[in-house]
Order: sequence, then structure tokens, then C-alpha cells
Amino acid sequence: GENVEQHPSTLSVQEGDSAVIKCTYSDSASNYFPWYKQELGKRPQLIIDIRSNVGEKKDQRIAVTLNKTAKHFSLHITETQPEDSAVYFCAASRNSNYQLIWGAGTKLIIKP
Amino acid sequence: GAVVSQHPSWVICKSGTSVKIECRSLDFQATTMFWYRQFPKQSLMLMATSNEGSKATYEQGVEKDKFLINHASLTLSTLTVTSAHPEDSSFYICSPYQALGGYEQYFGPGTRLTVT
Repeated sequence: GENVEQHPSTLSVQEGDSAVIKCTYSDSASNYFPWYKQELGKRPQLIIDIRSNVGEKKDQRIAVTLNKTAKHFSLHITETQPEDSAVYFCAASRNSNYQLIWGAGTKLIIKP
Repeated sequence: GAVVSQHPSWVICKSGTSVKIECRSLDFQATTMFWYRQFPKQSLMLMATSNEGSKATYEQGVEKDKFLINHASLTLSTLTVTSAHPEDSSFYICSPYQALGGYEQYFGPGTRLTVT
């Protein structure tokens, strides 16, 4: 079946540095790629998303890039801050059923 | 964004009892409801998908007679965990979706179930 692979599982970066999380999807019909931030005990929170007709999207310190040919997409966080510490999930879906296929998650640790 | 409520936020129950979790979409009509569970340090796992007025479709490995889903209206869906066991202890999250409402999906705040 369809799957989404996410790497790394844990990422530790110095405050102020950049963080990059990568995902690869298998379903070539996927056309929507959201990224979620989840804090302990809380619901996933959408931080940025991209559709398949766009190669890059940016929102302040957060950006997402999509390579449809290679079927991978990445989350970039610049100038990391302590409040960026959380678990980040990538996901993919297609507009036939809108079911999200989730990555395994990346625990991002921002070191002061 | 859309407002989704889930009740209770946490519950502790004894093994063998049943627990009902309610999910409400407060400002939109959810034609589809996704129910997830999440074990510690793991990703969200889809349990079932239901469309309003229809029977739910369960993912492989999820017992439909154990996890009863009712999606009787466009604003309310319930998940009942019957004869709960300690291995059912998890974080349950609903995600109502409105067809033709765009790609973004919304999530309830989650229910922490602990079975003793």
C-alpha cells in the first residue's frame, strides 16, 4: 500500500541554526503534502502545506519544497528557536479520498 | 480554522468496561470522519473512516466490533471502545472532514484513554 517515509527520526540542532526534515512518498497520485507540529499530549497542528502544482512554499521561517519527479518533499526551518522543539509529521494525500498517509515523525530538539 | 471539540479529554476506566468518545465539528458539516489512535512516540494510525449516515470502513487489524463508530449527523461522531483492555490505552484523535471543503484537515484535541 501507500506509505510515507520520514527522516531523521530525531534531529538535534543548535538554537539559531536551520533544521531540515525529509519525506518520501510512494503514491504518485498524491497531490497534497501537509506538515504538522505536535506537542506532547496535543493535537497535530498544521504548520505549512503544499500542493502538487507548486514546487516551493514559504511562510516566514518555515518552507516546504516538493520534487514530484523524485516523490520527495522537505520541511525547512530557519533560525530555530526553543519553541520549535516538538515532533513533526509529514503526510500525503490524494483528492480521491483525502485520507492522509503519515510519516513516522521527527523529534526536533533545539539546544540552547 | 475550523473548531473541533472532543469529549472527554481524558478518561480512566477499568478493564472490561466500555468508553464512548464524542467528536463534534462546531462550525462546519463533516461529511467524513477519520478516527486515529496514537501510541506513545508513534505516528497517528488511522483506525476507520466513516461517512455521514453510512457504516464505517475499518483499517486492517482494527476490530469493528470492538471499536464502534457512529456518524449519525454531520456535526457529531462517536467512537465507543467496548470491553476495553490495557492494550487499548492510547491517545484517540478524531478528524472531521468536509468534502469539497479544500485539502486541509482538522483535528479534535484528542482523548487520552487509560485502561487499568
